Amino acid sequence: GENVEQHPSTLSVQEGDSAVIKCTYSDSASNYFPWYKQELGKRPQLIIDIRSNVGEKKDQRIAVTLNKTAKHFSLHITETQPEDSAVYFCAARGGEKLTFGTGTRLTIIP
Amino acid sequence: EAGVTQFPSHSVIEKGQTVTLRCDPISGHDNLYWYRRVMGKEIKFLLHFVKESKQDESGMPNNRFLAERTGGTYSTLKVQPAELEDSGVYFCASSQDLPYEQYFGPGTRLTVT
Repeated sequence: GENVEQHPSTLSVQEGDSAVIKCTYSDSASNYFPWYKQELGKRPQLIIDIRSNVGEKKDQRIAVTLNKTAKHFSLHITETQPEDSAVYFCAARGGEKLTFGTGTRLTIIP
Repeated sequence: EAGVTQFPSHSVIEKGQTVTLRCDPISGHDNLYWYRRVMGKEIKFLLHFVKESKQDESGMPNNRFLAERTGGTYSTLKVQPAELEDSGVYFCASSQDLPYEQYFGPGTRLTVT
């Protein structure tokens, strides 16, 4: 089955700097890669996703890149703000179910 | 549009007891998923319903877990009897057939003592 690895597990970034979270996946059949943000005590929320026919996608300060050959994808957050502090999960989907990474706790230092 | 809802938000039970978790998906979403996050680890897939049918239950840990989705609307996940290792946060998610984005509920935090 699919296996997703996510790094780093924790990340502290000065406000205004950029943050990068990286994930690798094992199943070359996976074709959809969402990123979820979970704030403390709240539900995981889809913030951006990318499909395997696209190499990069951007939405304001958030971007995701996908390298199918290397089987890795990354989340980039620019101009970080305190409200970006949360746990971020990457996921990969080959069939219907999502396989998640272990999460990255991002802390933005004011 | 109302989001995915789950009940209860938190449940504390003793080992050996039974607990039933409920999930109400977004109206019109045929796909319903159950996931679990244990002890700060990854969110792990449990099973997937399409309407009232179990499409994939490969993630169910053992036969102490029973999921149902009568009528293809809300779903229940029963744990009987509960064990200590069942503690964690149980998430429900739903999606339409297309475009596949899964929307998560707030989760039920289950604590087995």
